[in-house]
Amino acid sequence: KAGVTQTPRYLIKTRGQQVTLSCSPISGHRSVSWYQQTPGQGLQFLFEYFSETQRNKGNFPGRFSGRQFSNSRSEMNVSTLELGDSALYLCASSPEGRVRTDTQYFGPGTRLTVL
Amino acid sequence: AQSVTQLGSHVSVSEGALVLLRCNYSSSVPPYLFWYVQYPNQGLQLLLKYTSAATLVKGINGFEAEFKKSETSFHLTKPSAHMSDAAEYFCAVRTESGYALNFGKGTSLLVTP
Repeated sequence: KAGVTQTPRYLIKTRGQQVTLSCSPISGHRSVSWYQQTPGQGLQFLFEYFSETQRNKGNFPGRFSGRQFSNSRSEMNVSTLELGDSALYLCASSPEGRVRTDTQYFGPGTRLTVL
Repeated sequence: AQSVTQLGSHVSVSEGALVLLRCNYSSSVPPYLFWYVQYPNQGLQLLLKYTSAATLVKGINGFEAEFKKSETSFHLTKPSAHMSDAAEYFCAVRTESGYALNFGKGTSLLVTP
């Protein structure tokens, strides 16, 4: 099976702009989670989607949003970008997402740089 | 809340030496623990996971980890380090709700010739 794919891999934006990142999960997986990775804060959970519904959200401002489509593909959007949003954004998919033994399979990430 | 602490942000070993990366957890419920590895400019790859079936868990690339409830630890080991093991290693615990993983700060492993 193909792994989790994320597009684009690299992105450069300026402050105040908005950005949309895309994630295609492993075929058959219905849960998609997003994480932000920065040198200072490490890996932090953003949100998780299952069957087009957001089931859980991390402690991030409302500028961060996402959605999931009927084919399980997911997008996340960041509006009014700030310098601190520069990070590696990782998408992870799992079969159901709520089974605590489920493995989350990660994509290669999108490196966002905000200037 | 479930959390993990990785002791040592940088670990350096010689090629062929034992690798030991430390992870301690805090959890109010039986924990489900994971070790991931991240190579430069890549995502995270699962090394192994503890799901309460066995306390000694074997993973990929010769890594294993032992769950010790009395010590609240889940340390990662490999008997003999290879140059290709140089990477960032993350310990993680599943949240009580099951939706997310809480990660440690990571340990950067350097392998010297």
